[in-house]
Amino acid sequence: AQSVTQLDSQVPVFEEAPVELRCNYSSSVSVYLFWYVQYPNQGLQLLLKYLSGSTLVKGINGFEAEFNKSQTSFHLRKPSVHISDTAEYFCAVSDTRSRLTFGEGTQLTVNP
Amino acid sequence: EPEVTQTPSHQVTQMGQEVILRCVPISNHLYFYWYRQILGQKVEFLVSFYNNEISEKSEIFDDQFSVERPDGSNFTLKIRSTKLEDSAMYFCASLPGRANNEQFFGPGTRLTVL
Repeated sequence: AQSVTQLDSQVPVFEEAPVELRCNYSSSVSVYLFWYVQYPNQGLQLLLKYLSGSTLVKGINGFEAEFNKSQTSFHLRKPSVHISDTAEYFCAVSDTRSRLTFGEGTQLTVNP
Repeated sequence: EPEVTQTPSHQVTQMGQEVILRCVPISNHLYFYWYRQILGQKVEFLVSFYNNEISEKSEIFDDQFSVERPDGSNFTLKIRSTKLEDSAMYFCASLPGRANNEQFFGPGTRLTVL
């Protein structure tokens, strides 16, 4: 069975500050890892994904994440956030059966 | 750019009524999914569908739920007798093939059961 833990339910930051949203996972098999963003009253948009290869993954909107197998983590980072990054962020894991298991989500609020 | 579409965007129904939520996946995709998100909670997997049959379902997907791909383009989720706790956002997703593993999500249908 797979599970995902997002360690922070809410992360408030000031504009242009760096941010890290933490995600840990557990799985008994090889996994694929994803970060999705959900803006208010909208669907889920893929930010980035790790399938294999380089452990540093770059995504849209300046986000990146690093897969750390030994720590079973996949933390999301951005060096300088904008007001428009305010949204809910979901970490998700899937195995070869492809169903996604989501974390509880982290609400990122960027303040001016 | 092709996208997954869902209708209606918002559905209000009375408890005990049947509802059908509709999705049009991306045309060359092979795998289809339904997820739900109760307000303020995480997104939960309901069911996956491949080759005209259910390939996996969660504990949530009980006998009240069914899925169908009636005409090769639409993918529907039916709830036979809605309960208050079925109120949620329902997302459809599609996947081109397992090797890619990137699911494309629709905008969701908000179901409100009164």
